[in-house]
Amino acid sequence: KQEVTQIPAALSVPEGENLVLNCSFTDSAIYNLQWFRQDPGKGLTSLLLIQSSQREQTSGRLNASLDKSSGRSTLYIAASQPGDSATYLCAVCAQGGKLIFGQGTELSVKP
Amino acid sequence: DVKVTQSSRYLVKRTGEKVFLECVQDMDHENMFWYRQDPGLGLRLIYFSYDVKMKEKGDIPEGYSVSREKKERFSLILESASTNQTSMYLCASSSTGGAGYNEQFFGPGTRLTVL
Repeated sequence: KQEVTQIPAALSVPEGENLVLNCSFTDSAIYNLQWFRQDPGKGLTSLLLIQSSQREQTSGRLNASLDKSSGRSTLYIAASQPGDSATYLCAVCAQGGKLIFGQGTELSVKP
Repeated sequence: DVKVTQSSRYLVKRTGEKVFLECVQDMDHENMFWYRQDPGLGLRLIYFSYDVKMKEKGDIPEGYSVSREKKERFSLILESASTNQTSMYLCASSSTGGAGYNEQFFGPGTRLTVL
């Protein structure tokens, strides 16, 4: 059974720091991996999608990598800002297109 | 922009009531999903659908049913609401492409409280 783990569960950094969020999964048979952002009480906003044949994707200050063989993905956030404070979720796409989520990393960026 | 809308942001119902949660997407996506999100348990899949009138059970289908009569609309039904169904419900949709499945887009969520 696919399991997705995110480390750390919570992270607090000063504004301007570069940071890395980690995601690991147990079964490499995935279609893609998606990173989301969730603000308190809100829905999920898609940040980046990496297809299983890709190694990384970039969007602005965000860069996500995927190493399927080792079951790992990282989300790199450059020059963090207080507006980046949110919970970040990674999810792997399994058979049927359904997503299996990690528990999330709660990020706080202090001014 | 893809838009997924859900009928209510907040809903309060009584135990035993039949509850309908509606989800509509405007991008002609084949696939639609219902998840629930609970503290400490994360997001879990309830039901999903590949096409009109098709449905598949997810990880926690007990106590729920779904309906997909039109491609753009996917309804989640709580046949007899119970307090343990108090949760945040999230709807999502995606298309199927050459590489398999494409990006999944989520609605704003419905916070359901069952008293």
